[in-house]
Amino acid sequence: SQKIEQNSEALNIQEGKTATLTCNYTNYSPAYLQWYRQDPGRGPVFLLLIRENEKEKRKERLKVTFDTTLKQSLFHITASQPADSATYLCALEYSGGGADGLTFGKGTHLIIQP
Amino acid sequence: NAGVMQNPRHLVRRRGQEARLRCSPMKGHSHVYWYRQLPEEGLKFMVYLQKENIIDESGMPKERFSAEFPKEGPSILRIQQVVRGDSAAYFCASSPRTTSGGADSSYNEQFFGPGTRLTVL
Repeated sequence: SQKIEQNSEALNIQEGKTATLTCNYTNYSPAYLQWYRQDPGRGPVFLLLIRENEKEKRKERLKVTFDTTLKQSLFHITASQPADSATYLCALEYSGGGADGLTFGKGTHLIIQP
Repeated sequence: NAGVMQNPRHLVRRRGQEARLRCSPMKGHSHVYWYRQLPEEGLKFMVYLQKENIIDESGMPKERFSAEFPKEGPSILRIQQVVRGDSAAYFCASSPRTTSGGADSSYNEQFFGPGTRLTVL
């Protein structure tokens, strides 16, 4: 079965630096790879999506890359701020078959220190 | 423009009781997904529904769990005869469209509700 790995340990980054989070998966590549943010006690919030035929996607201070050869996605937050502190979830989506539920990683807890 | 609504936010049940979790999708969304999040675990897909239809229930436990999304009203996740292991946060998400094939396939951004935290005593 598909396995998704995200940094299990908390990532501490100094304010203003770039935070880079990793998402690795096994087996077959998804049609789409999504990144969500989750704050304690709240539901995930969609941030970015990248398709399997795309290498990079940007949105404001966020950048996502997708390497189907390495089976890896990187999520970057530039000019990080304490408000960026949260858990970031990687989610895979496979097309076809009507099964559009997302397969989530366990998430990486990001801490931006002032 | 209200987001996805879930109620109750917190639910306490004793072993053997029934739990009913409700989810109202965003306006205009006809696709609903239920996920379960156990402590220190990732979100696990349970079931995907459209109005009056279960599209994919591959993540649902075979017994005691059921879900529906009637023509009128919210989607309901029902857990019968709850056990302690059912204690978790249950999240509902809605989406405006599906990505299952087609030339006009679009991404499947999902909008999540705040979750229902179920505690089984």
